[in-house]
Parts: sequence; C-alpha cells; structure tokens
Amino acid sequence: DAGVTQSPTHLIKTRGQQVTLRCSPKSGHDTVSWYQQALGQGPQFIFQYYEEEERQRGNFPDRFSGHQFPNYSSELNVNALLLGDSALYLCASSLGGGGAWKTQYFGPGTRLLVL
Amino acid sequence: GESVGLHLPTLSVQEGDNSIINCAYSNSASDYFIWYKQESGKGPQFIIDIRSNMDKRQGQRVTVLLNKTVKHLSLQIAATQPGDSAVYFCAETLGGSQGNLIFGKGTKLSVKP
Repeated sequence: DAGVTQSPTHLIKTRGQQVTLRCSPKSGHDTVSWYQQALGQGPQFIFQYYEEEERQRGNFPDRFSGHQFPNYSSELNVNALLLGDSALYLCASSLGGGGAWKTQYFGPGTRLLVL
Repeated sequence: GESVGLHLPTLSVQEGDNSIINCAYSNSASDYFIWYKQESGKGPQFIIDIRSNMDKRQGQRVTVLLNKTVKHLSLQIAATQPGDSAVYFCAETLGGSQGNLIFGKGTKLSVKP
C-alpha cells in the first residue's frame, strides 16, 4: 500500500520563476493538504483540496495556487518566486471531507531552493 | 491569537529512560491535538492524537496527556530507543477548521546509547 508520494524531491529555481510541485495521496484518501516548512520551523498550512476544490486556505498570498485532479492527486503552483519561498513543501493526505479532524499522513516533501 | 509552542527546544535522554516532551497551546477552541515525529530528511510521521474532551490517551510506548486547565499537552515515550531520536511537533486543529493543522516549532529529542 503506497503512502503519500511527492515529486520532485529537490528543486532549484531563480527569483521570479514559477514552480509546480506534485503529490499523490495515500491509497484510498481523497483530501490533500499542502504545508510549507521553513528550516527549523514547524509546517505552516497553505491550503486543502477536496472534491477538486480548495476548501480552506492559510495565510499565503495568491502567488500560491493549487489544483486537485479527479484521481485525487494534487499540484501546488508558486508564481513569481521569492527568496523567502525556499522551504520544504509537504503534502498530506486524509480521508473524508467532513469538518472533523481526520488523520493527515505526510509525504517526504519537496525541497525548494530559490536563488 | 492562536499558537502552539513548546517549552524546550532540545531534550537529551539516556536509552531506556522515559522521555517527556511538553507543549503549550493558547486556543481554547482547539478540537484535536496531535503529535508528529519528523526524522531528518523526512516528512512528519503521525504518532498519536487526542480529542479535546479527553485527558489521556495511550498508544504503543507513547502516552499523550492533555490538561485543558493550563492549556498544556505532553507526549511521554516509554523506554526511549535510539530510533526515537527526531524532532517532535505538537499540532492543533480548530473545531470547524476542516482539519488544517497549526504546528509548533518542535522539540529535538536526542537519545544517548
């Protein structure tokens, strides 16, 4: 049973460029959440997708956008990259679209470096 | 505002001893509290969660205690092993927030052989 997978594992971009990160949820899961983790910090919630729609969003600018596909996989897009966007980007999957907490299982992350 | 923090940034214990990792939270509306373990170069790994209407929950070698009076959460690891060395994060989720997690900064646990 495959867990959450993310690609690529590492990425180097320059300021102003755009990047797309990908996530495949754990088998049977239908909800994907994205988090940004700066070095030495805890992850910060970016947004969550369920039924191909953004259900909730954290305190991130519109440069951060996402998409969920019918097979529940998801993409995170970041436009006009800034140096401060350098971080580990984590994807977490869970089951169910209700309001209550459902265990989120994290992938290994994509390490993004912006030069 | 809402926040999740940790009392100690680092904790060093001897192999075989019990470990206690502490966490403070400020939002009384938090619905669930969750502990994650993150090893170097990996994503966070779910350990255990506890709902706000409980004060204790046990798992395999781990116990989470919740004290709502002082807004304090702790993770106890019994018979700590070298494989337990990692950064431990507590996180909270607010009622009606549909599951987004608010993480603290983490405590680094080092286990000495």
